[in-house]
Amino acid sequence: AQSVTQLGSHVSVSEGALVLLRCNYSSSVPPYLFWYVQYPNQGLQLLLKYTSAATLVKGINGFEAEFKKSETSFHLTKPSAHMSDAAEYFCAVSDQGGSEKLVFGKGTKLTVNP
Amino acid sequence: DSGVTQTPKHLITATGQRVTLRCSPRSGDLSVYWYQQSLDQGLQFLIQYYNGEERAKGNILERFSAQQFPDLHSELNLSSLELGDSALYFCASSPRRASGRSDTQYFGPGTRLTVL
Repeated sequence: AQSVTQLGSHVSVSEGALVLLRCNYSSSVPPYLFWYVQYPNQGLQLLLKYTSAATLVKGINGFEAEFKKSETSFHLTKPSAHMSDAAEYFCAVSDQGGSEKLVFGKGTKLTVNP
Repeated sequence: DSGVTQTPKHLITATGQRVTLRCSPRSGDLSVYWYQQSLDQGLQFLIQYYNGEERAKGNILERFSAQQFPDLHSELNLSSLELGDSALYFCASSPRRASGRSDTQYFGPGTRLTVL
């Protein structure tokens, strides 16, 4: 069965600092990997996705993530945090051959301090 | 705006009641997924429909059922409601690629269900 682990349920950074949100996955088949963001009282918005093409994936709002098969990781980064980045971030995995459902991590709430 | 619409936005009801949540997918998307987001369980997949047929089932209770209609909108029916059913219910839709596999899931704004 697939699973996702997001290390750190809360991450706090200063405005302008590097954002690093960690995601490790478990999958018996090559996965598709996604990062979604959820702003308060809103739905989930896709930030970026990995679907077996380039291992470094660029997304919206300056975010990027790197797929590392050897480490089973897909960490999300942004060089410089903005106040508007404060939200909850979810990593998700979907396998390529079986069910198309998304299995989500428990989420990481990002706080950006002025 | 993802293009996926869900109604109602909020729903408050009592234990034992039945409710229906509605989802309209993005234009042209044949797949519809339902997810439940709660504080204790997080985001969990409930069920998927593709072009009117059930495609996959997740942790969906027997008290819950869903369907997808010919116009591709979907409804999630929740019956004999319990306090623990209070949650945010999301619908997502996805297009189908030439390979046959569904692509990215686009999420609606959700329906917040409160059971009192």
